Amino acid sequence: EIVMTQSPATLSVSPGERATLSCRASQSVGSDLAWYQQKPGQAPRLLISGASTRATVFPVRFSGSGSGTEFTLTISSLQSEDFAVYYCQQYNNWPLTFGQGTRVEIK
Amino acid sequence: EVQLLESGGGLAQPGGSLRLSCAASGFIFSNAAMSWVRQAPGKGLEWVSGIGGSGGGTYYADSVRGRFTVTRDDSKRTLTLQMNSLRAEDTAVYYCVKGRLPPDSWGQGTLVTVSS
Repeated sequence: EIVMTQSPATLSVSPGERATLSCRASQSVGSDLAWYQQKPGQAPRLLISGASTRATVFPVRFSGSGSGTEFTLTISSLQSEDFAVYYCQQYNNWPLTFGQGTRVEIK
Repeated sequence: EVQLLESGGGLAQPGGSLRLSCAASGFIFSNAAMSWVRQAPGKGLEWVSGIGGSGGGTYYADSVRGRFTVTRDDSKRTLTLQMNSLRAEDTAVYYCVKGRLPPDSWGQGTLVTVSS
């Protein structure tokens, strides 16, 4: 099983600031890495796939990068609607494992 | 539009069973790999089980292997999770998720509570 590790667990950011979230895989997953956004009481939504391809419903301030074992999700200028929990998931191999999540909260 | 509607959640006793279903529409169901993902109260996401499209294999997390069984009925566009020997730690919202490369659509979830 591929273990996914996210850091930090909680990120406190002021609106308008940049947020950088990290995700590490215990072995290479190539570019088979997705990011999901989850808000309270809602199902997760696919934000990024292929490590860097943003879903069209999300604004351009969201970007993903990385390959192999190291990945980053960047939110360039946080808006109020971006405060949520973000999960990475590898889909290179079954089981499709998740990181433990990063909560982005208002500073 | 992709729609995934889970049902079958509820209260079960430890050691008991529940059967979850997911009714799918808006895509070619038979071609799609499908998964179940759960989220315990206040916790993160845990992938539980998956099944390949077009007669693909079945896959399980270690935490449920031997107790849960995933099946699909392509004629009825339905995904099913049979959960046996339930434990308190199986308490969670269970989501039906479409896709494998990547998983791209989620249902709204159904709550399973295991308690005496």
